[in-house]
Amino acid sequence: DQQVKQNSPSLSVQEGRISILNCDYTNSMFDYFLWYKKYPAEGPTFLISISSIKDKNEDGRFTVFLNKSAKHLSLHIVPSQPGDSAVYFCAAIYSGAGSYQLTFGKGTKLSVIP
Amino acid sequence: NAGVTQTPKFQVLKTGQSMTLQCAQDMNHNSMYWYRQDPGMGLRLIYYSASEGTTDKGEVPNGYNVSRLNKREFSLRLESAAPSQTSVYFCASSYTGVATDTIYFGEGSWLTVV
Repeated sequence: DQQVKQNSPSLSVQEGRISILNCDYTNSMFDYFLWYKKYPAEGPTFLISISSIKDKNEDGRFTVFLNKSAKHLSLHIVPSQPGDSAVYFCAAIYSGAGSYQLTFGKGTKLSVIP
Repeated sequence: NAGVTQTPKFQVLKTGQSMTLQCAQDMNHNSMYWYRQDPGMGLRLIYYSASEGTTDKGEVPNGYNVSRLNKREFSLRLESAAPSQTSVYFCASSYTGVATDTIYFGEGSWLTVV
């Protein structure tokens, strides 16, 4: 049973436009959410996180929005740049759990076209 | 900064052979992890070590063993490799085992079992 779902395996966006990556979760206990970015032949790197006490967290061009009632979060990248082309993993966890319980989605491959 | 270093980067094994993936981190982290990533799948936890001297099973431990050699090093052993273990393996670490702690990943080890 997939608790974190990224239903779009891939997304193509023109350079300079907005990229929106979506993520849904089913476990009501999840209250802390993260996005990781992964380039080919490299390990995932932490990008941005959000706690369920917030509905938005911003870091430069990256903003994560959380809709708790819909169990949905999204990552917005504005403006998109070719260097943003990567696989983006959504992850979720209950903040009272151990870090080993982090649950990842399958990832969305973002291609930013120059 | 080296961060999390894992070796080898690439390995081809025959079915039934054994091998050990090595991992070391230089960030003075207490918790370490081994994940695997398969095509179209998210990252799945194989084993983790919450602190030096402890190891525990993750989501997909069958066919693997681990050793937390010291605070820096955490190795993953395949005793009798099977084609189903063809995957990309990521070692990771975090300062604590707290849910909201950032997990840092190595660059990955590509393992093919024929």
